[in-house]
Amino acid sequence: KAGVTQTPRYLIKTRGQQVTLSCSPISGHRSVSWYQQTPGQGLQFLFEYFSETQRNKGNFPGRFSGRQFSNSRSEMNVSTLELGDSALYLCASSLGGVTLTDTQYFGPGTRLTVL
Amino acid sequence: AQSVAQPEDQVNVAEGNPLTVKCTYSVSGNPYLFWYVQYPNRGLQFLLKYITGDNLVKGSYGFEAEFNKSQTSFHLKKPSALVSDSALYFCAVRFSGSARQLTFGSGTQLTVLP
Repeated sequence: KAGVTQTPRYLIKTRGQQVTLSCSPISGHRSVSWYQQTPGQGLQFLFEYFSETQRNKGNFPGRFSGRQFSNSRSEMNVSTLELGDSALYLCASSLGGVTLTDTQYFGPGTRLTVL
Repeated sequence: AQSVAQPEDQVNVAEGNPLTVKCTYSVSGNPYLFWYVQYPNRGLQFLLKYITGDNLVKGSYGFEAEFNKSQTSFHLKKPSALVSDSALYFCAVRFSGSARQLTFGSGTQLTVLP
C-alpha cells in the first residue's frame, strides 16, 4: 500500500499570504489528522477529520482551517500567514472509527517557511 | 493534567551497546502508548504501541518497549544499537476517555557512535 502523501513538500510564503497544504491518506483510511512541528513547541495537534467532518480541534487560531473530501483526501489552509507559522506540517491517517487504539501513520510533511 | 514526558533531550550510546529512551506519562484513565521515530527531513515513522495485555511490546527494526504501570513509564529499548538508529524519537499517548489526538513528548535525540 502506498503511504501517506503530502504536497507540496516545501513552501516559501511571505507574511500576510495564505497557503493550502494537501494530504492523501493511506487507501482505506478515513481519518486524517494534522499536526504542526516546531523546534520551540514540538508536535502540536491542529485538527482531525473523519468522514468529511471535523471531529477534533486543537488550540490554534481560526486562521488555521481544514477540510476533507469524500475520497478522504484532506487540505489545510492557513490565512494571513505570520512568521511564527513557519513549521513542518504533518498529516497522519488512520482507519478512524471511535477507537483510541488505532495507529496514526504520518506523511513526510510540508515544510512551510514564512518570510 | 494529562501529559507525557521524555526526560532526556539527548542520548548517546556506542554501536553494539543496548539503548534505552525514556518516556513517562501522567494520566487519569488507561493509557494507549506509542513510539515514533523521525529521521532528518522526514515524517514520523511508527515503531510500536501498547494497548493492553503483555507489558513487553515488540516493534519494528528490533525495538521493544516495556509498559510499567506502577512507574507510569514506557521506555523504548533495543539490545544492540546501530549507527542507523540515530534519529529523533517521540513517545505519544492517548488516554481512555480523551479525544483521539496524540499527545507527544518533546522528543529524544539518539546518537549511536561508531
